[in-house]
Amino acid sequence: GAGVSQSPSNKVTEKGKDVELRCDPISGHTALYWYRQSLGQGLEFLIYFQGNSAPDKSGLPSDRFSAERTGGSVSTLTIQRTQQEDSAVYLCASSLGSGVSYGYTFGSGTRLTVV
Amino acid sequence: QQQVKQSPQSLIVQKGGISIINCAYENTAFDYFPWYQQFPGKGPALLIAIRPDVSEKKEGRFTISFNKSAKQFSLHIMDSQPGDSATYFCAAGRGGSNYKLTFGKGTLLTVNP
Repeated sequence: GAGVSQSPSNKVTEKGKDVELRCDPISGHTALYWYRQSLGQGLEFLIYFQGNSAPDKSGLPSDRFSAERTGGSVSTLTIQRTQQEDSAVYLCASSLGSGVSYGYTFGSGTRLTVV
Repeated sequence: QQQVKQSPQSLIVQKGGISIINCAYENTAFDYFPWYQQFPGKGPALLIAIRPDVSEKKEGRFTISFNKSAKQFSLHIMDSQPGDSATYFCAAGRGGSNYKLTFGKGTLLTVNP
């Protein structure tokens, strides 16, 4: 597609439920990133994929968070047993290569609200 | 540890004025400094970026000034327009194959007509 597509755009879930967030990167972009944006905070790195591999998962806040990427394309971020502190905008970005100077292209994000 | 500190948190400028946003970094290994612009409901978009081998980079009304010795860089928006109203993030990263950007907390810019 022309840009990075994320779905759903908004998600309201009850505390304790599991949620799945989807990211469709730009075709041909080998690198994919998930960031989290909380109110008044910057963008917090969660995980990086190169192809289907995730060499850096260091930003995942807890073992309730996991992510996968299939076919070198679509990625899913899963949050199990959601907590109120998980409420945030989850942003996906992709880039043509793995270096920062390639520039990230971000999707519009998924706004997650845990009630 | 916040590696990139951004100020101010919010900024109000009159149309035609100059908007200035500042960032400071700690990690001297950083050698790539982009600025991202984010409109409500959208993801951040790359605006302009600089490497430390130059002290200034200009693209249209947007200029990055870089001070390597002070470990600071800033974004200047000349002739600010209401359409520039957005949140601006500075970021820093290491070159080569390094993939991770460290972002500042953002500045909400409002340009009044």
